[in-house]
Amino acid sequence: NAGVMQNPRHLVRRRGQEARLRCSPVKGHSHVYWYRQLPEEGLKFMVYLQKENIIDESGMPKERFSAEFPKEGPSILRIQQVVRGDSAAYFCASSPSRDREGKLFFGSGTQLSVL
Amino acid sequence: GNSVTQMEGPVTLSEEAFLTINCTYTATGYPSLFWYVQYPGEGLQLLLKATKADDKGSNKGFEATYRKETTSFHLEKGSVQVSDSAVYFCALRGYGQNFVFGPGTRLSVLP
Repeated sequence: NAGVMQNPRHLVRRRGQEARLRCSPVKGHSHVYWYRQLPEEGLKFMVYLQKENIIDESGMPKERFSAEFPKEGPSILRIQQVVRGDSAAYFCASSPSRDREGKLFFGSGTQLSVL
Repeated sequence: GNSVTQMEGPVTLSEEAFLTINCTYTATGYPSLFWYVQYPGEGLQLLLKATKADDKGSNKGFEATYRKETTSFHLEKGSVQVSDSAVYFCALRGYGQNFVFGPGTRLSVLP
């Protein structure tokens, strides 16, 4: 069974460009979470999606950031008009359910560098 | 709201030393508790978990006991190895709620 697949592994963008980060969850998982990790800092929750629905986006900036998890295909985290402060590692995680015992399966992350 | 507090790192130990990483939490109800580990350049992996009071989670020589009376879930290992060098995250999850992660504790084990 394939785990959570994220691509690209590394993404370099210039200020003002768009960044698209993709996440394919574990097969059969319908819950996807996105986290951001800055150097030497912990994980910051961004958004939680369940197939075609955004359940909780309380951690995602209101401007320039958006996320989707379509019925078919991977989840996408989109950052428009990137700025240097967006440089970070972005991790996707999936789970089969939202019950409290369900663990998260993490991808290896996408390292975004904004020049 | 729910929150997790961990001891600040970095923690530096010699090989075969005893490890404790403290974790305390604040939560309503009865959350499940987790320890995740992040090796350099990788995503987080579940290390162990406990779902109710007095449960002990264990894996790869690591242990943690769910202590409701002290709202703690301290991670311990009797003899660390160089390969245990990583960042360790304590986390909780209540019913119908998102995971809440602590800030992480970096462990460096020297040969």
